[in-house]
Amino acid sequence: GDSVTQMEGPVTLSEEAFLTINCTYTATGYPSLFWYVQYPGEGLQLLLKATKADDKGSNKGFEATYRKETTSFHLEKGSVQVSDSAVYFCALIRSGSARQLTFGSGTQLTVLP
Amino acid sequence: NAGVTQTPKFQVLKTGQSMTLQCAQDMNHNSMYWYRQDPGMGLRLIYYSASEGTTDKGEVPNGYNVSRLNKREFSLRLESAAPSQTSVYFCASSDTGETQYFGPGTRLLVL
Repeated sequence: GDSVTQMEGPVTLSEEAFLTINCTYTATGYPSLFWYVQYPGEGLQLLLKATKADDKGSNKGFEATYRKETTSFHLEKGSVQVSDSAVYFCALIRSGSARQLTFGSGTQLTVLP
Repeated sequence: NAGVTQTPKFQVLKTGQSMTLQCAQDMNHNSMYWYRQDPGMGLRLIYYSASEGTTDKGEVPNGYNVSRLNKREFSLRLESAAPSQTSVYFCASSDTGETQYFGPGTRLLVL
């Protein structure tokens, strides 16, 4: 079945540091890929998405590129802020799957001032 | 626009008690979903409703039932709560089935 593997956390960085959170997936066909973010005490919000190979999703300074050859969708940000502290989830939807999201286990990010 | 709302925010139950978690969306979305979130396991789909009048099982449906009351509302029922159902429950909705919009969650503790 489909699966998403994320880098284990927690991740602690200083403000303005470079962020990478690794995500790889297993799925048949050509899934759409997502990063969701969960701030403390809140529900999940879509951060960015990519629907086909080599697409780059971007939002709020975060980027991720859909790499079919390595089945990866790593999240990056050049300079993190304290306000980026949250849990980040990688997810996929496979076409024909009744649009069910498959999530990774989440990566807790803490940014220190 | 409230988006997706959930009630209650927090609930404590004793083993064997029943309860219904309520979810409503005001975005006129066709699809609605119930997930549970457990530490280290991400979110897992319990049930979903692709459109009004239809419901289907997700990855972890045992111990739950759902009702798609109308296009706006999708409830999740625990008939006989068990400690293994202690979790945070999220409702979500979607129009295209791609981007899903999540509610703030219900934290459930079963003693």
